[in-house]
Amino acid sequence: EAQVTQNPRYLITVTGKKLTVTCSQNMNHEYMSWYRQDPGLGLRQIYYSMNVEVTDKGDVPEGYKVSRKEKRNFPLILESPSPNQTSLYFCASSLSASGDYEQYFGPGTRLTVT
Amino acid sequence: QKEVEQNSGPLSVPEGAIASLNCTYSDRGSQSFFWYRQYSGKSPELIMSIYSNGDKEDGRFTAQLNKASQYVSLLIRDSQPSDSATYLCAESGGGADGLTFGKGTHLIIQP
Repeated sequence: EAQVTQNPRYLITVTGKKLTVTCSQNMNHEYMSWYRQDPGLGLRQIYYSMNVEVTDKGDVPEGYKVSRKEKRNFPLILESPSPNQTSLYFCASSLSASGDYEQYFGPGTRLTVT
Repeated sequence: QKEVEQNSGPLSVPEGAIASLNCTYSDRGSQSFFWYRQYSGKSPELIMSIYSNGDKEDGRFTAQLNKASQYVSLLIRDSQPSDSATYLCAESGGGADGLTFGKGTHLIIQP
């Protein structure tokens, strides 16, 4: 089944404790992206990647890191999480290298930072 | 900064009626447009994409695009309670930054 997977689905952590949210797609998509979704603010792009070893900042990159060492994986790293990073996070992928074609979303990761 | 504007709602529609959702965008260079449906706490799911002026129909859904007016709409015919969700409009100008999303319209179908 073609899909985007994320892990973990739910995470409660404390301020400053480094964490990684994994994202993997099995559709051989070039483009991958991370979004966060907050009430009243909609979906905001954190980082995106057009191909292996090619990543760039989105609209809200502060406090996040990403890497794209393999085409299928695009982990999101929070080196020192803070409460304002409490949010619902989505990974997405697209066949188009520029991401301007349909994007397919993972199931989401609900993160709470206390 | 590109913007996609949607009325947040809620938009309440009786079951069986036509639901009409609207979206405007700021970038005249936008080329591709998408409608996603999102149930509470779930991930966005692609419903329709449209790339040229006019109407595009898929089952009970019709997307309409008017590039001169920078306006995109989604019509849902024979609305069902299961259509109750938030509908996100998105656009792309073909750049590497992918899609720009509106904040969504909350649709409620009343049985």
